[in-house]
Amino acid sequence: GNSVTQMEGPVTLSEEAFLTINCTYTATGYPSLFWYVQYPGEGLQLLLKATKADDKGSNKGFEATYRKETTSFHLEKGSVQVSDSAVYFCALSLKAAGNKLTFGGGTRVLVKP
Amino acid sequence: SQTIHQWPATLVQPVGSPLSLECTVEGTSNPNLYWYRQAAGRGLQLLFYSVGIGQISSEVPQNLSASRPQDRQFILSSKKLLLSDSGFYLCAWSNSDGGKNIQYFGAGTRLSVL
Repeated sequence: GNSVTQMEGPVTLSEEAFLTINCTYTATGYPSLFWYVQYPGEGLQLLLKATKADDKGSNKGFEATYRKETTSFHLEKGSVQVSDSAVYFCALSLKAAGNKLTFGGGTRVLVKP
Repeated sequence: SQTIHQWPATLVQPVGSPLSLECTVEGTSNPNLYWYRQAAGRGLQLLFYSVGIGQISSEVPQNLSASRPQDRQFILSSKKLLLSDSGFYLCAWSNSDGGKNIQYFGAGTRLSVL
């Protein structure tokens, strides 16, 4: 079956530090990959996505590259802010599976001033 | 533009009481609709999805049911709540043509069963 594994948190960082959240996947087919972000008390928002190998998704200073050879989609940001404190979810979807999202367990990130 | 609404935002219910959570989408037609649950400190689990009126697929056996009485309305229900039904419930929609495979989420309903 399809699955997504991401590093467990919480990840605690100081402001302006470099952030990496690892995400690897297993899929029967060629999935689209996503990062969603959930700010405290809110629903999920799409942060970025990639639909084919070597695509780089980017938004709000975050980046992730679709690596087919390592089945990974690691999220990075060069300089985090307090406002980046949130839970980050890696996810995949397959058109053959009705575009249902399979989520990783989420990684809580806390950025301290 | 498309919007998705969920209500209520928070709900406290006693064990054994019924449940009805509503989700509506505006600005699109024939969307795919989804209900997810996020238990405390855990990831998201897909509960139900629907590709059309009256068409509901259940992903996991549970105490809940879903209905889609109108094209852009998705309802999550229970006849008798259990303590284990507590969690954060999220509704989402996507374009039925697959589009960019993106799902758009509502703000969620936090349910506490006491």
